[in-house]
Amino acid sequence: EDQVTQSPEALRLQEGESSSLNCSYTVSGLRGLFWYRQDPGKGPEFLFTLYSAGEEKEKERLKATLTKKESFLHITAPKPEDSATYLCAVQGGLTGGGNKLTFGTGTQLKVEL
Amino acid sequence: DVKVTQSSRYLVKRTGEKVFLECVQDMDHENMFWYRQDPGLGLRLIYFSYDVKMKEKGDIPEGYSVSREKKERFSLILESASTNQTSMYLCASSTPTGKRGPPTQFFGPGTRLTVL
Repeated sequence: EDQVTQSPEALRLQEGESSSLNCSYTVSGLRGLFWYRQDPGKGPEFLFTLYSAGEEKEKERLKATLTKKESFLHITAPKPEDSATYLCAVQGGLTGGGNKLTFGTGTQLKVEL
Repeated sequence: DVKVTQSSRYLVKRTGEKVFLECVQDMDHENMFWYRQDPGLGLRLIYFSYDVKMKEKGDIPEGYSVSREKKERFSLILESASTNQTSMYLCASSTPTGKRGPPTQFFGPGTRLTVL
């Protein structure tokens, strides 16, 4: 069974204070690892897909990296508008029909002035 | 631009009522999904569909059914709502695995359902 664990559960940063969120996973044949951002009361918004160890993707202040066991979401010089819950999900090779994702419970990030 | 819409943002129903949640996508995606999201439990898959009139159970299908009569529309049905079905319901759609690259799932805004 695919499993995803995210840490920390919650993170409070000062504006400009860089940090990283962790996503550890166990999966049978990784097809893809996904990062989403979710604002309170809204649906998740897609950020990145990573496919193989060593891959990196960037978008503004966010950078996602992937190893064989975990992924990191690095946030450089965050701003208050980066405050949100960040979700990690994996798609394994034994998912049957469709493309089922297994989600972690998320890291709730708050960036303060 | 990618768009998934859900019929209601907030819904309040009584125990025993039949509840319909509607989802529509305009991206011509084959796959559609229904999740529920609860604090501490993350997103859990209820049902998904990979084609019109096709459906497969997810991890927590008990108490739910689905309908997909048209490619763009996927409905979640609570036959007899119960208080433990109070939750945030999220619909998503995607292309099939291996078609046009990454099978990214795109989500709707969610429906916050309260069952009293």
